[in-house]
Amino acid sequence: DAKTTQPPSMDCAEGRAANLPCNHSTISGNEYVYWYRQIHSQGPQYIIHGLKNNETNEMASLIITEDRKSSTLILPHATLRDTAVYYCIVRVASGNTPLVFGKGTRLSVIA
Amino acid sequence: GAGVSQSPSNKVTEKGKDVELRCDPISGHTALYWYRQRLGQGLEFLIYFQGNSAPDKSGLPSDRFSAERTGESVSTLTIQRTQQEDSAVYLCASSPEPRLERRFGAGTRLSVL
Repeated sequence: DAKTTQPPSMDCAEGRAANLPCNHSTISGNEYVYWYRQIHSQGPQYIIHGLKNNETNEMASLIITEDRKSSTLILPHATLRDTAVYYCIVRVASGNTPLVFGKGTRLSVIA
Repeated sequence: GAGVSQSPSNKVTEKGKDVELRCDPISGHTALYWYRQRLGQGLEFLIYFQGNSAPDKSGLPSDRFSAERTGESVSTLTIQRTQQEDSAVYLCASSPEPRLERRFGAGTRLSVL
């Protein structure tokens, strides 16, 4: 049972920033927000995760609202290779709770 | 190898046959997970192994499904008396410990005719 809500699909022009929203209004204080993506015919790929502070790595930035009830994954300069399904997941960082993947957002980057 | 390796990459079988899928996790990764992904669907958790602890089998859909792992190395997922509804991509993932991000293999595409 996924605890997140994401739009089913989005389009983004190549070279522009892709902003993927995620709602997680029931998130608990000890749950992190994780983002994965799955490119067609490949296994899922980890992107980034965070607790409450904004995070940035070589792939993306993660912006988490102050109340932690929603977040946005930002791909600063989307390329055609970023076309994939993007999954937003909330879970505790400790213990053995498995990742629960929902339907995700299908991002299409258009030339 | 550098990543999670799964074999075979594709498997076609007849309804009623047993199949065995293999996963080689990244060396040193204590946690190993199996997921199933049907066409156009999200990932379904199947089973989780962590070190020498009893596996979490809560996601296995029926008693036709079983999995084993030898220590912290190879895992096999076995599906007995396959049904057409078992057709899916079976994905394996590993992580150094449960709280860290998972690294996924490319999956085994199972087709039951």
